[in-house]
Amino acid sequence: SQQGEEDPQALSIQEGENATMNCSYKTSINNLQWYRQNSGRGLVHLILIRSNEREKHSGRLRVTLDTSKKSSSLLITASRAADTASYFCATLQGAQKLVFGQGTRLTINP
Amino acid sequence: DTAVSQTPKYLVTQMGNDKSIKCEQNLGHDTMYWYKQDSKKFLKIMFSYNNKELIINETVPNRFSPKSPDKAHLNLHINSLELGDSAVYFCASSRTSHEQFFGPGTRLTVL
Repeated sequence: SQQGEEDPQALSIQEGENATMNCSYKTSINNLQWYRQNSGRGLVHLILIRSNEREKHSGRLRVTLDTSKKSSSLLITASRAADTASYFCATLQGAQKLVFGQGTRLTINP
Repeated sequence: DTAVSQTPKYLVTQMGNDKSIKCEQNLGHDTMYWYKQDSKKFLKIMFSYNNKELIINETVPNRFSPKSPDKAHLNLHINSLELGDSAVYFCASSRTSHEQFFGPGTRLTVL
């Protein structure tokens, strides 16, 4: 069954603004990962946060994880036009099964 | 060099035909996967192989048969194609429990 619910489904902001996307899940996880998919392309891994971590940074990305609420957020600061893409959260169940959310379609307007 | 490659990139075929999609990874990973992404962009795992052994088989019709000749290759054969099989199929690879690296996808259109 589908695991992740992402919110919002679509987000449109001005270049330079921050973008926040949320993800909720239902079962216990080993880690949670965020991926980006540009139109017509494969998914690209952005960041992985383990179940015992609460926050992680990578460049302009900041990810939080709240296992008590079974939720995560992805913050992209100082957005750029090149950040326009779909963003997916995915939870690792067991050693190999990655279950994806529905995705957030992010549009950065110049 | 491309890390995870798939062929073909596009596949247009008639209902009832049999087709194969090939995947190769040069990352030295021990696990490979097939995913299906539907028209609403929902991505769902189909199969996972670890060291050539089938680990995950997610309620996929038995018309779909993965084959892993070695750790670097995972092919997907589909028999008796149906309209509902139209989708983008992604191959991926990883080390166990780590991030996955995706191929560029194969867009399958069944007419």
